[in-house]
Amino acid sequence: QQQVKQSPQSLIVQKGGISIINCAYENTAFDYFPWYQQFPGKGPALLIAIRPDVSEKKEGRFTISFNKSAKQFSLHIMDSQPGDSATYFCAASKGGGNKLTFGTGTQLKVEL
Amino acid sequence: GAGVSQSPSNKVTEKGKDVELRCDPISGHTALYWYRQRLGQGLEFLIYFQGNSAPDKSGLPSDRFSAERTGESVSTLTIQRTQQEDSAVYLCASSLGLRTYNEQFFGPGTRLTVL
Repeated sequence: QQQVKQSPQSLIVQKGGISIINCAYENTAFDYFPWYQQFPGKGPALLIAIRPDVSEKKEGRFTISFNKSAKQFSLHIMDSQPGDSATYFCAASKGGGNKLTFGTGTQLKVEL
Repeated sequence: GAGVSQSPSNKVTEKGKDVELRCDPISGHTALYWYRQRLGQGLEFLIYFQGNSAPDKSGLPSDRFSAERTGESVSTLTIQRTQQEDSAVYLCASSLGLRTYNEQFFGPGTRLTVL
């Protein structure tokens, strides 16, 4: 049972463009939604996270939009750069964030 | 400071053999997690240790998988009688574990290949 569905599987964006990755969840008990960035050969690293008491969180060029009623959340990367090329995972957890359920990942490539 | 380290970085084994994967968490982190990442897939939770509490083993896929942790330090994930479907990257993470919503810091993983 896949509790967090992520799309698209891969994404190509031109430098300076906006990258958008979407996730949908099923478990209404989830209350913590982090996004992780993973470069080849490295472990994932936390990029940004949101709790459901807010609808949007912005950190630099990265924004999470959260729609509680639709059970969806998305990552927006503004002014995408080649250095943003990586695999992005959404995740969700409940009751304190100890056990993360991950989406299947989106491979982002930012072209010059 | 040093991050989470894992060893070996790569492990090739024959079907039926046992393997041990090691994780050294960040010093002071009381929580430790193991995840499995199959090719082209997301991370799959395996097991979680928090201090001296009983571990959450709910993600272990079969009784061939086990893990131990000594106090708040090193952890070892053991896979007995390996199967080809065990081939994956095994990732370890640690966090402070003292409050909710702690950031999990991941190691680089161990790539396991079962021939």
